[in-house]
Amino acid sequence: GESVGLHLPTLSVQEGDNSIINCAYSNSASDYFIWYKQESGKGPQFIIDIRSNMDKRQGQRVTVLLNKTVKHLSLQIAATQPGDSAVYFCAEMSTGGFKTIFGAGTRLFVKA
Amino acid sequence: DTAVSQTPKYLVTQMGNDKSIKCEQNLGHDTMYWYKQDSKKFLKIMFSYNNKELIINETVPNRFSPKSPDKAHLNLHINSLELGDSAVYFCASSQDHFGYTFGSGTRLTVV
Repeated sequence: GESVGLHLPTLSVQEGDNSIINCAYSNSASDYFIWYKQESGKGPQFIIDIRSNMDKRQGQRVTVLLNKTVKHLSLQIAATQPGDSAVYFCAEMSTGGFKTIFGAGTRLFVKA
Repeated sequence: DTAVSQTPKYLVTQMGNDKSIKCEQNLGHDTMYWYKQDSKKFLKIMFSYNNKELIINETVPNRFSPKSPDKAHLNLHINSLELGDSAVYFCASSQDHFGYTFGSGTRLTVV
């Protein structure tokens, strides 16, 4: 069946280092991908998205990379800060479809 | 102003009771959703409404009934609550299904 999964459920990084969170997806028809950040006690928050006609997109301190050949998505966070500690979800959608499928989430710990 | 607001934030109730969770969005979005997040943080879609019309109805017990009186509101009513219904329920909205805005969640505990 369709699935969006993550390689690492927990990631611990030192403050100031770069973080990389990985995600694998299995639906070849998916053409829109999103990363969400969920802090404790809050709802998921949109971080960055990318369409399948791109392989890289940059935001403020974040970069999303898409490799359609191997169905892999990654989120890179530069100069990770304590405020980046959260659970990160990748999500996928097929344009024309109506639902977004979420991956299982990766918990990011930032050590001061 | 909160973009997507849901109430209550916490709900503790006994098995067999009926309860409702309300959601309102002031973003002018055309689509609203209910997601359930289990204890392992897994997010699963339950329902989606587009301009008051039901467009997604996942395999959810019919004890769960969504209602959308207008495109800014999507409420969730749950009958005969069971222990397994304990979870965090998130409302979300989007325009054209891209990039959701989530509410802060309702933590439902059934005892």
